[in-house]
Amino acid sequence: DAGVTQSPTHLIKTRGQHVTLRCSPISGHKSVSWYQQVLGQGPQFIFQYYEKEERGRGNFPDRFSARQFPNYSSELNVNALLLGDSALYLCASSLGVSNQPQHFGDGTRLSIL
Amino acid sequence: SQQGEEDPQALSIQEGENATMNCSYKTSINNLQWYRQNSGRGLVHLILIRSNEREKHSGRLRVTLDTSKKSSSLLITASRAADTASYFCAGGATNKLIFGTGTLLAVQP
Repeated sequence: DAGVTQSPTHLIKTRGQHVTLRCSPISGHKSVSWYQQVLGQGPQFIFQYYEKEERGRGNFPDRFSARQFPNYSSELNVNALLLGDSALYLCASSLGVSNQPQHFGDGTRLSIL
Repeated sequence: SQQGEEDPQALSIQEGENATMNCSYKTSINNLQWYRQNSGRGLVHLILIRSNEREKHSGRLRVTLDTSKKSSSLLITASRAADTASYFCAGGATNKLIFGTGTLLAVQP
């Protein structure tokens, strides 16, 4: 079975632009979470979606938004990009909402110039 | 914000030796999970220990959890060069994981 897939793998943007990152979960997984990992640090939680509803939000500004589609795939949108948004954005899927191992994709490397 | 910290930040050992990493966390958790990350890749789930468990084994991995001290440890026995990676603990709350800062493990062949 295919694992979690993310696209694109790399992206270069300039300050002020917006970006959309995509994630396809493992088949049968209904929960998708997004994490931001800055170089040298652990991942930080951004959002969790389950059954197309937002179930959790981390400490990120409103420039960050996400949604989950009927097929359980998900998009993360970031508006008005800042230099500090440069990071590896990771998507993880799981069967349920809590007490579940998370299965991660390889991430999208976003660089802001 | 990070859940806590791993200790040590970096560890270098010889193949065949054991590696022990410690993790401290700050808030109440439902479970504690350990992940491995190879450079530039996604995280791979290693093991999950629930808050009412004290020890768990999986292959060469042994995890302990002390909820009174808000700490966990990961032991990798008989390490291999392929174990070289960053290791993260993550506190599992209702709807999210809160990761620590990671331990960079280098296993020398």
